[in-house]
Amino acid sequence: KAGVTQTPRYLIKTRGQQVTLSCSPISGHRSVSWYQQTPGQGLQFLFEYFSETQRNKGNFPGRFSGRQFSNSRSEMNVSTLELGDSALYLCASTQNPSSYNEQFFGPGTRLTVL
Amino acid sequence: ILNVEQSPQSLHVQEGDSTNFTCSFPSSNFYALHWYRWETAKSPEALFVMTLNGDEKKKGRISATLNTKEGYSYLYIKGSQPEDSATYLCAFPMDSNYQLIWGAGTKLIIKP
Repeated sequence: KAGVTQTPRYLIKTRGQQVTLSCSPISGHRSVSWYQQTPGQGLQFLFEYFSETQRNKGNFPGRFSGRQFSNSRSEMNVSTLELGDSALYLCASTQNPSSYNEQFFGPGTRLTVL
Repeated sequence: ILNVEQSPQSLHVQEGDSTNFTCSFPSSNFYALHWYRWETAKSPEALFVMTLNGDEKKKGRISATLNTKEGYSYLYIKGSQPEDSATYLCAFPMDSNYQLIWGAGTKLIIKP
């Protein structure tokens, strides 16, 4: 079974631009969560999608948005990029949302904002 | 605001020695406690999902215990090897909606 894939792996943007990141979950997994990781910080939850619906949202500004498609693939979008958005963005998938299901992570997208 | 704390922040251990570190979480409304290992240049990978007070889980040389009443979990590594070098993360679902709150991790470095 193929793992979680994320594209692109690396991205360099300038302030004010927007960016779209993509995540393809493991086949059969319908829940996709997005996280931001910056140096010295734990994983910060962005949002979670299940069956094309946003189930949970973390404490991030409205510049961060996402969506999920009928094939469970998910995208996240960041508009009007700021320097502080430079981070590793990870997505994780699981079969169904549950406190008891482990999450399977992709390799991440490293975003640098100049 | 729920908080998950891990200690120590980093740890240097001699190869062959055993070690352990801690994850503290709110003891009320417990659902589960997750442990993940994150090796450099790889993705975080699940080690254990623990659900019952007193639970003890084992995977090879790594084991974990859970105390839901006092709100902590220990991760133990017996006979540390260089391949154990990684950041170990714990996560706690904040409610039945499953959203995970993550600790900042314990970075383990094994010295040969």
